Amino acid sequence: EDQVTQSPEALRLQEGESSSLNCSYTVSGLRGLFWYRQDPGKGPEFLFTLYSAGEEKEKERLKATLTKKESFLHITAPKPEDSATYLCAVMDTNDYKLSFGAGTTVTVRA
Amino acid sequence: GAGVSQSPRYKVAKRGQDVALRCDPISGHVSLFWYQQALGQGPEFLTYFQNEAQLDKSGLPSDRFFAERPEGSVSTLKIQRTQQEDSAVYLCASSPRTSRNTGELFFGEGSRLTVL
Repeated sequence: EDQVTQSPEALRLQEGESSSLNCSYTVSGLRGLFWYRQDPGKGPEFLFTLYSAGEEKEKERLKATLTKKESFLHITAPKPEDSATYLCAVMDTNDYKLSFGAGTTVTVRA
Repeated sequence: GAGVSQSPRYKVAKRGQDVALRCDPISGHVSLFWYQQALGQGPEFLTYFQNEAQLDKSGLPSDRFFAERPEGSVSTLKIQRTQQEDSAVYLCASSPRTSRNTGELFFGEGSRLTVL
């Protein structure tokens, strides 16, 4: 069974204070690892897909990286508008549905 | 442009009542998923449709849960005889892709169900 563990559960940052979120996963075979952003009262919004170890993707102040056991979401010089819950999910090679972690809630103070 | 639309956004039901939650996916999207999200948790898979065919319903918690997508567009998730443990946000997501290329999903804002 696919397992996804995210840490920390919550992260409070000062504006401009860079940090990283961790997503550890266990799958029989990885088809893809996905990062989503979820704002309160909203549905998740797709950010990135990573397919193989060593791959990196960037979008504005966010950069996602992937190893064979975990993924990191780096937030560089965050702004208050980066405050959200960040969800990590995996898709097994033998499947088509996502298995999500519980998320990391990031709060950025001005 | 129109995204995934869900209704109602909020539903309060008394224990034992039946509820129906509606999802309007993005026009032309082949794949449609229902997920359940408990407070403080990530979404959990319920069921998957490819066009009108329900290809996987393995995540439905019990036979009180039923989903349909009769014309391959709008979908309805029905919960019969609601229980308190059914309280959650029910998320609908769609994708223009099929089967194993469905990781990049477009989610609706969800229907928050509270069972008293």
